[in-house]
Amino acid sequence: NAGVTQTPKFQVLKTGQSMTLQCAQDMNHEYMSWYRQDPGMGLRLIHYSVGAGITDQGEVPNGYNVSRSTTEDFPLRLLSAAPSQTSVYFCASSYSGTEKYGYTFGSGTRLTVV
Amino acid sequence: SQQGEEDPQALSIQEGENATMNCSYKTSINNLQWYRQNSGRGLVHLILIRSNEREKHSGRLRVTLDTSKKSSSLLITASRAADTASYFCATPPNTGFQKLVFGTGTRLLVSP
Repeated sequence: NAGVTQTPKFQVLKTGQSMTLQCAQDMNHEYMSWYRQDPGMGLRLIHYSVGAGITDQGEVPNGYNVSRSTTEDFPLRLLSAAPSQTSVYFCASSYSGTEKYGYTFGSGTRLTVV
Repeated sequence: SQQGEEDPQALSIQEGENATMNCSYKTSINNLQWYRQNSGRGLVHLILIRSNEREKHSGRLRVTLDTSKKSSSLLITASRAADTASYFCATPPNTGFQKLVFGTGTRLLVSP
């Protein structure tokens, strides 16, 4: 089925470990974003991309890196995990330009840093 | 910082009743979007209203937008238990649609 696929669904990391959260979409969307969701905080934008090779920081980028080598994939890298990065991470994608469309979200990755 | 603030934070109603939730935002916008999130799931886009529109309908959903008051409301008519979810408003700042900013959400509980 077309959509946004996130892997893994659950992950436990030790403080200081690094890992990559994967995100792939098959809808040929130009825009892709990563959000984190914490209780009572809503969703906060980490990084976003408007197309292959173009990325930019969102509201809470510290401790995270992204790259966009293809239209389909937008991985999020945690460089050195900290307990403050315990959260649910969502990847989302959208068409660009006309602002007629909303974002399509993945089902999320629940990350715990111990 | 959050662009949108939903009100109320939580709402509990019976099946068949209408549910109204409100969103206030801070800066001028091109459009405002509403999303639903079922427990443990990703967000689902419900409806988008442009800044030059005042009202929009989609099935049992009715969204209004008042740009002079920087506010929007989402009305769900004849609620069902399956409507139980969190509802978020989201706005792209004028600097770029790709930077969608979400409010903190309204938790709706619809009891049979």
